[in-house]
Parts: sequence; C-alpha cells; structure tokens
Amino acid sequence: EPEVTQTPSHQVTQMGQEVILRCVPISNHLYFYWYRQILGQKVEFLVSFYNNEISEKSEIFDDQFSVERPDGSNFTLKIRSTKLEDSAMYFCASTWDRGSQPQHFGDGTRLSIL
Amino acid sequence: GQQVMQIPQYQHVQEGEDFTTYCNSSTTLSNIQWYKQRPGGHPVFLIQLVKSGEVKKQKRLTFQFGEAKKNSSLHITATQTTDVGTYFCAGFSGNKLTFGGGTRVLVKP
Repeated sequence: EPEVTQTPSHQVTQMGQEVILRCVPISNHLYFYWYRQILGQKVEFLVSFYNNEISEKSEIFDDQFSVERPDGSNFTLKIRSTKLEDSAMYFCASTWDRGSQPQHFGDGTRLSIL
Repeated sequence: GQQVMQIPQYQHVQEGEDFTTYCNSSTTLSNIQWYKQRPGGHPVFLIQLVKSGEVKKQKRLTFQFGEAKKNSSLHITATQTTDVGTYFCAGFSGNKLTFGGGTRVLVKP
C-alpha cells in the first residue's frame, strides 16, 4: 500500500536556526497537510495545500512558517527561526479528495529545539 | 474557531469490558473521522461518518454520528490488549480537520 514518507525522522536544531521538514505524499494525491503534535497532546492542524497554494492555515502557522511543493513530489514545511516551543512531532498527510476521503499520515518528524 | 472536545481523556479498561468515548464539536460538521494512534506512532484512519444519525461497525467497534452532525461516539466491546492507543475524532469543515484531544485507552489484562 502506498505510504506518505517523511524525512528526517528526528531533527535536532539550535533555537533561532531554520529547519526544513520534508514529505513525499502519495503520488496521486492532490491535497496536502501539515499537523503538529506536542508530546502527549492532540494533533493540531497547521496548513492545507492544494493546487500549489495554501487553502487554509491555523493561527499557529504564522510568518515563521512556510510550505512549498518545489518539484511535484516533495512537500516541505520550513520554519525560519525556530523557538523552543516549536519542539513537537510534525506529521504530513495527504488525500486525493478534499473532505470525503481519509487522510494518510506519514510517520512524522520529531523536531527538538535546543 | 471550531473546537472539538473528547471525553474521557483517559480510559482504563479491564480486558473483556466495553467502553465508549464521546466527541463533541462546537460547529456542524461536513463529516467526522476517527483515527487511532498507537504509542510512538502516527494517526491511522479508522472510519468516516457523513450522514446525520449514521452508524457504522467495524468488528468490535461501533461508530455513531449524531443527528445534528455535531457529536459522535465510538463504542468498543470486549476490549483486547490490541485496542491500546489513543483514539481521536476529527471534524472536517472548510479545508481542514480539527482533532479532538483524544481518549487514551489503557487495557488491564
């Protein structure tokens, strides 16, 4: 069964540094998402992306965050200047239809900010 | 903004017993989805409910969507150790899924 893949599995970064998290969605999917899960807490929506533009974003997704689909296969989340509170598990998800199909999640990237 | 709440936050169940977790949304939903997350894992889709009053079953799991499409429940019968994990409901509205806080299920053998 096709999977969403995320790299790296664990990223350790100094506060203030830029970080890029990478995702390869399932190949025929059209809608892409990033979520964040702070340890022990709920999954929080960050952003949805369709047709090369952001469809919706949450309050968490401020100017420090950006997303890109640079080459038709990768879907990236960039945090420009990381803060301690950005430490969390970041999940990428994809689906081929906006709301009527389940979202397929990757294994996540654990981001640790020192 | 939209809020989705789940109760209970924790559920300690004796193996073989039944339990129910409840989900409530502050707004009417297009659909509601349920996901299971094992410790250290990622959310895995279980089911989607779309119609008002809809009931779906998956083996020992029964899912229900409320008439007003603002609440949902998951009932598990004869709990097994493989049921351990956190069960999240997630309401779809607009272009996003809003997850509830989850019910963390621990099973006592």
